[in-house]
Amino acid sequence: QVQLQESGPGLVKPSRTLSLTCSVSGGSISSGELYWNWIRQRPGKGLEWIGYISYSGTTYYNPSLKSLVTISRDTSKNQYSLKLSSVTAADTAVYYCARSYDSGGHFYGVFDYWGRGTRVTVSS
Amino acid sequence: EIVLTQSPGTLSLSPGERATLSCRASQSVTSNYLAWYQQKPGQAPRLLIYGASSRATGFPDRFSGSGSGTDFTLTISRLEPEDFAVYYCQQYGSLPLTFGGGTKVEIK
Repeated sequence: QVQLQESGPGLVKPSRTLSLTCSVSGGSISSGELYWNWIRQRPGKGLEWIGYISYSGTTYYNPSLKSLVTISRDTSKNQYSLKLSSVTAADTAVYYCARSYDSGGHFYGVFDYWGRGTRVTVSS
Repeated sequence: EIVLTQSPGTLSLSPGERATLSCRASQSVTSNYLAWYQQKPGQAPRLLIYGASSRATGFPDRFSGSGSGTDFTLTISRLEPEDFAVYYCQQYGSLPLTFGGGTKVEIK
């Protein structure tokens, strides 16, 4: 059974960089045709997809955040990470990591496994 | 990007009643790549429907999805107490992936 768990600081100061890690168990992040995503949910708002890193290490970022986001991985620890720079109060949210997969040779962006989420507040 | 509009924002119903949730896309969703998620308070969303009409593991057949192109529907045939939650639609036919704003199904 695949399990994902987010970790990182719950409080980040404005203009700093938000850094989160997703630890994956029950499967390797570099095997299979899988994609490892970050999604956030701002207070009282819906869900926003941030981007993914694939089983092969390629990344895709939502254009709305592209200049501020970096998703990377550490295959030795079976973890992947999110960095969001120059944060503001608008980046206060619950951040989720979630898995999606490949179908017919292309990214099939359905999220079948999710972490429980981690709440991040941006405040001085 | 494709904008998804869900309606109504809140649906107040009693257990045993039928729930019909709508998701409308600003442009046609490629290959009907439309998913639905259920989210309960304090929990992560849970995949409910994918490919517009395929039910995910663990959900009973009272949940069904339908639609194509720009108009999609999630139907819960007879609401059970555990079905009261927020439901989100999501398109994955084109990047960036986008979600609707959600429909809250609450107990009347």
